[in-house]
Amino acid sequence: QVQLVQSGAEVKKPGASVKVSCKASGYTFTTYYIHWVRQAPGQGLEWMGIINPSGESTSHAQKFQGRVTMTRDTSTSTVYMELSSLRSEDTAVYYCARESPQNRGYSLHYWGQGTLVTVSS
Amino acid sequence: DIQMTQSPSSLSASVGDRVTITCRASQSISTYLNWYQQEPGKAPNLLIYAASSLQSGVPSRFSGSGYGTDFTLTISSLQPEDFATYYCQQSFTTPRTFGPGTKVDVK
Repeated sequence: QVQLVQSGAEVKKPGASVKVSCKASGYTFTTYYIHWVRQAPGQGLEWMGIINPSGESTSHAQKFQGRVTMTRDTSTSTVYMELSSLRSEDTAVYYCARESPQNRGYSLHYWGQGTLVTVSS
Repeated sequence: DIQMTQSPSSLSASVGDRVTITCRASQSISTYLNWYQQEPGKAPNLLIYAASSLQSGVPSRFSGSGYGTDFTLTISSLQPEDFATYYCQQSFTTPRTFGPGTKVDVK
C-alpha cells in the first residue's frame, strides 16, 4: 500500500533552517509528483511547492521564493523540503502529498502524517 | 495566481441535513477542482477529484459538480463523522491554490 512517512517534529530558532523528509513506499517513486502543503495553527491549507522525483524539476509558490528548496533521493525514495530563514510565522504542520495522474485531476490522494515545525526563540 | 474562495466560511447543521458548500475560482479551471475533508489533527482526505468524481471509499452522500469557475460540494444527508472542515483546491496550474475552508459544525 502507498505510504508517505515524514520525519519528526522540529523546534528551530528564528533565522535557522529546517529540512523535512518524506519517505515514499508502495509504488514506483519516480512516477508521481510530490507536493508540499503547510498549515499554520488554526489556519487553512497553504500550497508550498511541487517536485518531480524523476527529474528533480520543482515549482514553488512565489511567497517562498529564495527560502524553499525541494530535493529527492531516488536511492531511498525520499523527498526533502528545506525552508530557510525561519520566522515565527513559519510555525506550522508541513505535509507531503502524492499527486494523482491527469485522469484523476492531479488530485492529492496520499498524504504524509505531517511534521510540526515550531519556530521560537 | 488563481484565487479560490469558498462560501460559507462556516455553517451549523444537524445530522440528516443537506449541506452545500460553494467554491469559486478567479479564472476558469475547467474541471481541475478537488475537494478535501480535514478533521482536527489529521491530514486532509480526498473526497472528490476532477470536480465530480467520487474518490474510491468515500460515501455516496458526497457529490461534487461544476465547471469553469463555479463548483459545489454537496452532502446529501449529514452524518456525525462529517463534522469537519472542507477545502477546495484547483489543480489547473501552479501554484495549486486552496480555498480558505468551510467548517461544518453541530447546530
